[in-house]
Amino acid sequence: DTGVSQDPRHKITKRGQNVTFRCDPISEHNRLYWYRQTLGQGPEFLTYFQNEAQLEKSRLLSDRFSAERPKGSFSTLEIQRTEQGDSAMYLCASSPGLAGPSTDTQYFGPGTRLTVL
Amino acid sequence: AQRVTQPEKLLSVFKGAPVELKCNYSYSGSPELFWYVQYSRQRLQLLLRHISRESIKGFTADLNKGETSFHLKKPFAQEEDSAMYYCALSGRRGTDKLIFGTGTRLQVFP
Repeated sequence: DTGVSQDPRHKITKRGQNVTFRCDPISEHNRLYWYRQTLGQGPEFLTYFQNEAQLEKSRLLSDRFSAERPKGSFSTLEIQRTEQGDSAMYLCASSPGLAGPSTDTQYFGPGTRLTVL
Repeated sequence: AQRVTQPEKLLSVFKGAPVELKCNYSYSGSPELFWYVQYSRQRLQLLLRHISRESIKGFTADLNKGETSFHLKKPFAQEEDSAMYYCALSGRRGTDKLIFGTGTRLQVFP
């Protein structure tokens, strides 16, 4: 499968613990996005990378959240001191980053479902 | 504010009936509009985008700038169309981040 992959698929943790998720984008895609989806809602944008540079962060991304893409390939999203409100599906997407007048198609991973007890 | 509104959480139809999933948006500029679909146990995937002006799996959507709408239509629903449908917009070329609506679940009964 050459699509976007995410690991783990499910994570259950206790409040106050730190968790880290990984996203592997489609090979040679230089744009990578993180979204969060809670029950009954559509995905909400969290942050965006162009290669290794984090170019935009949503206000949803509190100080407890940090994302990296160290070599412009895979990305990690860490949540420190988790809270019950962090329970959600965390989605990763990648796109080619082609220059042009229209928006790139984003390809989504299967998501990581986080449950904070 | 940038916003996408999908007023229906659930739309139920019988096979062969026409389908229209509503989407309205708010954006000060010229956004790009998309429909994404998520079938059961599958990942979110692009169904169609307004700039392509094409029909995918029998679905079409026309961007109406006057009404700020991008409704998804299909003349004859099939059972395999049952899925979650999300309308989304992208409003800024630099990021291409997507702003999604809350989604509409389409159920097509045999």
